[in-house]
Amino acid sequence: EAGVAQSPRYKIIEKRQSVAFWCNPISGHATLYWYQQILGQGPKLLIQFQNNGVVDDSQLPKDRFSAERLKGVDSTLKIQPAKLEDSAVYLCASSPRGTGYQETQYFGPGTRLLVL
Amino acid sequence: DAKTTQPTSMDCAEGRAANLPCNHSTISGNEYVYWYRQIHSQGPQYIIHGLKNNETNEMASLIITEDRKSSTLILPHATLRDTAVYYCIVMGSKLTFGKGITLSVRP
Repeated sequence: EAGVAQSPRYKIIEKRQSVAFWCNPISGHATLYWYQQILGQGPKLLIQFQNNGVVDDSQLPKDRFSAERLKGVDSTLKIQPAKLEDSAVYLCASSPRGTGYQETQYFGPGTRLLVL
Repeated sequence: DAKTTQPTSMDCAEGRAANLPCNHSTISGNEYVYWYRQIHSQGPQYIIHGLKNNETNEMASLIITEDRKSSTLILPHATLRDTAVYYCIVMGSKLTFGKGITLSVRP
């Protein structure tokens, strides 16, 4: 079974530029998560989708971050414009059902973003 | 979601058992204890989870105290590849990661 795929693996941009990350979850998984992990800290949930609907985006800085999962499969996370403090690893995870269930989440390798 | 407390770091010798403790004194009756690990430059990897009973899989064993206020992750024969940050998480509605414990396995 293929795992969670993410691309690109690395990205370097200048502040005020925009950037997008892509995630393809495990086949058949209804729920998709985006996390931000700043160096030295644990991952922090940014947004959770169940199918193509947003379940939780309370931690998403909506003035600059956006995410979509239009067909309920893959997802993109965008930052526009980027700030220096957005430098982090962006992790995507998926789980079979999600909302209402305590179930295992499976993580991708992450995209490492450096904002200069 | 209940909070967990873990030591900052520990080490063990290769081939020996690594026992990683975790306190979760405010855990609720329906909350699971999850363990993930993160090897450098990789995404978190699921290890094991449990509710009340002790659990074992091919990676590790999870021992949960009877009052469920603490647990121990046991890696029976640690290898150099087990060097990682290990996160103990009490899962309610979401996974909330702390800083975890850094395990260093020495040759």
